[in-house]
Amino acid sequence: SQTIHQWPATLVQPVGSPLSLECTVEGTSNPNLYWYRQAAGRGLQLLFYSVGIGQISSEVPQNLSASRPQDRQFILSSKKLLLSDSGFYLCARGVGEIGYTFGSGTRLTVV
Amino acid sequence: KQEVTQIPAALSVPEGENLVLNCSFTDSAIYNLQWFRQDPGKGLTSLLLIQSSQREQTSGRLNASLDKSSGRSTLYIAASQPGDSATYLCAVPFYGGSQGNLIFGKGTKLSVKP
Repeated sequence: SQTIHQWPATLVQPVGSPLSLECTVEGTSNPNLYWYRQAAGRGLQLLFYSVGIGQISSEVPQNLSASRPQDRQFILSSKKLLLSDSGFYLCARGVGEIGYTFGSGTRLTVV
Repeated sequence: KQEVTQIPAALSVPEGENLVLNCSFTDSAIYNLQWFRQDPGKGLTSLLLIQSSQREQTSGRLNASLDKSSGRSTLYIAASQPGDSATYLCAVPFYGGSQGNLIFGKGTKLSVKP
């Protein structure tokens, strides 16, 4: 199984509050993991990817950060949320040759 | 730079019709192409993965074709049903350094009317 678990499913947070979204994956060890954001009316944007524990690469400068404390755990964080951080956040695993699997997503609304 | 385009952006059809969704990509040097389905407020569900060496992949009423040389893929849905209503996304992997991530089109929103 290559199942991906994401929580929470929905989140409403005030501007300036911290954020922690968690993603855990099942299946083969040492997966490549990704955080994507889908803003309203826009496509999917890659935010971070990780090829191993403690290895994080950022695709776009932003108010968010990511960490990978365990092989199958990927966390998206912020110290102070902005209104522009609202969106639908998706965790994914995969590599090009095999394909990609996505989690069910977290709907974040910053108010 | 790889770019993925999907046409049309939205499509409404009556139940029972056969339909085709289009996906084009600018760089033909791809490993494969993946079609996803996204229901409102939900994550992405993989429908079909078609490798660069393949011309077609089939799953039930779905058939995906790939023409690398022309940079095009189509997703054919036979005998459409209201339950097929969703946004359909195509994506190709991009390789930069030692990792790969997906480059997505903006999707086709399909509505199948009973």
